[in-house]
Order: sequence, then structure tokens, then C-alpha cells
Amino acid sequence: DTAVSQTPKYLVTQMGNDKSIKCEQNLGHDTMYWYKQDSKKFLKIMFSYNNKELIINETVPNRFSPKSPDKAHLNLHINSLELGDSAVYFCASSQGQGDTDTQYFGPGTRLTVL
Amino acid sequence: GQNIDQPTEMTATEGAIVQINCTYQTSGFNGLFWYQQHAGEAPTFLSYNVLDGLEEKGRFSSFLSRSKGYSYLLLKELQMKDSASYLCAVLDSNYQLIWGAGTKLIIKP
Repeated sequence: DTAVSQTPKYLVTQMGNDKSIKCEQNLGHDTMYWYKQDSKKFLKIMFSYNNKELIINETVPNRFSPKSPDKAHLNLHINSLELGDSAVYFCASSQGQGDTDTQYFGPGTRLTVL
Repeated sequence: GQNIDQPTEMTATEGAIVQINCTYQTSGFNGLFWYQQHAGEAPTFLSYNVLDGLEEKGRFSSFLSRSKGYSYLLLKELQMKDSASYLCAVLDSNYQLIWGAGTKLIIKP
């Protein structure tokens, strides 16, 4: 069974549309994350959720909103998509602190905004 | 500010040894991670160091010096499949993971 799964794997859409990316982890982890990896391959943290509570919100436009129905799921909703949103979005999860903070990544969602 | 520095790209020969360095300046330290990321795939965990010294795991070893804010990842007996990006990440005092930009390693036959 896949530990961290994301859907869809590829998403192509027009500017101005609203889209969602889903993430699920079956590891029983307490913390989940969303990352954006741009064309330069730099991983940038967007959000972190611990037991359904937002604990990090970096300088991300409010068009991006994380939604966590339970601690196994963290979905990313994006409103009014822009060309600059094209990137690969990775979901990840970790258990706790120290070495248990090893993050396990989902396969990524390649978003292309036309 | 918090900063992680790694070389952007390195090239090595199949069968050889390569050392990828990482220096960091962070607010506090609770450990350093190395991840491997193949093109088009998700990062995968390689190692975790929180105490000074060398941790060996098969062909890969990771070294940490907290006083110098320095780590390296050592890859031995390089194989073509080791061509990937290697990401250094530090867990700061708030247990937030600060990521480096990654080092792209190119292996030549």
C-alpha cells in the first residue's frame, strides 16, 4: 500500500480556474505538509498541519487554502489559478519531533496552468 | 536569517566516490537530513544526523559537525542510478525543516 498518495498526478488547466489536489497518508502520522517545487527544483514549504491545526503558513497567497478533514488527509485548494502556479506540488507527512520528523513524500502533482 | 548552502551541481564517474557538502545557519538545531530525489519523482529519505560524527549506511555515509554547521553526504562505488538531486535539510529549534536547494549529481560512465 502506498504510504502517501496524491491525486491527480497531472493537472492541466486554464488561468482563472479553481482546482484541488488531494493527499492521503496511511502512516498514522500527526503532521502533514504541502510543498511547491518550481522549475529550479527548490522545495518550498507552503503549509504544515499538525492534528488538523495549521502550524506553518509561509508567504503563500491566500488563493491557496489547505483543508484537512481529518489527520490522514490534507487537501490543497487553489483559486483563480495563475501562470506562476505551474509547478510540482508535493504532499508529505511525518510523525513527530527529532528523527521521527523524517518526512515521507507523495509522488507529486504536476500542475500546468495555460 | 536561516540558510542552507549546497553546491548546485556536481559530476562524478561511475565507480568513484563523491562528497556532497552542506553548510547551514539556522535558529537552533535538532538534526540534519539528507534526501535523494530522482528527476520527476518525490524526495526519499537517506539519512538523519543529530550527533557529531559519521553515520554509515551501505554505500552512503553522512557526516555532521555541529560546531562548524557542516555536513556531507559521501557516496561510494557510484552507480548510474545514483544520478539524482541530493537535498540537505535542517530541523530548527521549532522543529521546522529548512531545506537546501539541492545538489544535482551527474554520473558519467
